[in-house]
Amino acid sequence: DSGVTQTPKHLITATGQRVTLRCSPRSGDLSVYWYQQSLDQGLQFLIQYYNGEERAKGNILERFSAQQFPDLHSELNLSSLELGDSALYFCASSETGVGETQYFGPGTRLLVL
Amino acid sequence: EDKVVQSPLSLVVHEGDTVTLNCSYEVTNFRSLLWYKQEKKAPTFLFMLTSSGIEKKSGRLSSILDKKELFSILNITATQTGDSAIYLCAVPFTGGGNKLTFGTGTQLKVEL
Repeated sequence: DSGVTQTPKHLITATGQRVTLRCSPRSGDLSVYWYQQSLDQGLQFLIQYYNGEERAKGNILERFSAQQFPDLHSELNLSSLELGDSALYFCASSETGVGETQYFGPGTRLLVL
Repeated sequence: EDKVVQSPLSLVVHEGDTVTLNCSYEVTNFRSLLWYKQEKKAPTFLFMLTSSGIEKKSGRLSSILDKKELFSILNITATQTGDSAIYLCAVPFTGGGNKLTFGTGTQLKVEL
């Protein structure tokens, strides 16, 4: 158990809908990362937050957004969902956000029908 | 653009065999290389390598980095069925932030 928690575990929704994925980092970690893992793309970085501020952005779609709250938990919002958004979404955390190991949460499996 | 390539894509071995997984990388300013093991769900951290030629070891797993030739290997000796997993190699982005660029992974299956 890495200490990173994610909810929900599984999510099934329809195309066009909006969902929110939630992540709580390990105690003491200030940085949170979101990754998407699909069968054809592997693990892809979406976005990083450090102490509430956006630090780095990957190939995150405009339909997706994220934020990190004062208590350091983070939410990833996915809107206007398409079939291709079906994937595993992982949250990871690290202490400072520069150069150290990231610890991954158990992931949220999203299925868009 | 940072690039990580892993080989082989998959392999099947018998319990007790030794396996070597490969990871080559291309990054602008290298800082470190990380190995993760992914079973059913979340990738779990195995090793972080920063210095060339220094082996990191944990039980039957070991890993070494060659910064001159830009690759790393992960060795697993006396494999067990519980070693069956996808092994991922990653390097931190060399620009701002700390995103990880992952290879596609090596799927290892250990059979009795």
